Amino acid sequence: GAVVSQHPSRVICKSGTSVKIECRSLDFQATTMFWYRQFPKQSLMLMATSNEGSKATYEQGVEKDKFLINHASLTLSTLTVTSAHPEDSSFYICSARDRGLSGPYNEQFFGPGTRLTVL
Amino acid sequence: DQQVKQNSPSLSVQEGRISILNCDYTNSMFDYFLWYKKYPAEGPTFLISISSIKDKNEDGRFTVFLNKSAKHLSLHIVPSQPGDSAVYFCAADGGSRLTFGEGTQLTVNP
Repeated sequence: GAVVSQHPSRVICKSGTSVKIECRSLDFQATTMFWYRQFPKQSLMLMATSNEGSKATYEQGVEKDKFLINHASLTLSTLTVTSAHPEDSSFYICSARDRGLSGPYNEQFFGPGTRLTVL
Repeated sequence: DQQVKQNSPSLSVQEGRISILNCDYTNSMFDYFLWYKKYPAEGPTFLISISSIKDKNEDGRFTVFLNKSAKHLSLHIVPSQPGDSAVYFCAADGGSRLTFGEGTQLTVNP
C-alpha cells in the first residue's frame, strides 16, 4: 500500500523556537495533503488542507501565521510551528491523497505522526 | 458541532467473541465512511470502508454496516483477537476532507 512518512517522529524544543515537520508520500504523488492534530484521548482535528502549488486552507480557529504550511511538490508538505509554546505540544499527523487512484473515492494515507513537546 | 460521534470511549471483549463498535453522524451529505485503527504514537491505518450506496461491506473478520436512515454505522470484528486492541476511529467523507469521531478504545482480553 501507499506509504507516507513524517520526520521527525519526535521533537523536544524550547519555548519560542520554531519547529518544522516534513510529510512525504514515498511511492505516489499526492494531490492534497492534510495536517491533523491529536490531543491525548481525543479525536484527530483537521488543522489545514494543502494542495500542491497553492495556499493552504486552514480550519476555523487555526492560526495560519503560527502554523505555516508549504506544499512544495506533489510528494512533500511541511508544517512549521512558529514561536512554539507549551500549549502547542501535541501529536501532529499528516495524510496524503493519491493522485493516481481512479474511482469515486480517493483514499487518504496517514503518516506515523510527530510528537512535539515544547518546554 | 460534532458531526461524527462515537459514544463509547471504550469497549472490552473476550478473545473469540464479537466486537461491535458504533458510530453516528449528523450530516446527510457524507457519502463515504471509513474505519481506522490506531495504536499509541502511530498514525491511523485504514481498516475498511463503505460507500453510502451500500449497507454492508465485509473484509475477512471485519464487517461494516451502514444504516442511512438512522445515520448510523457499525464495525463488527469477529472473532476478536488480542492484536485487535487499539483505538478505532470512524470517519466520514463529505468530498473535501474527512471528519473523525472521537474514537473507541477496544481491548480484547485473552
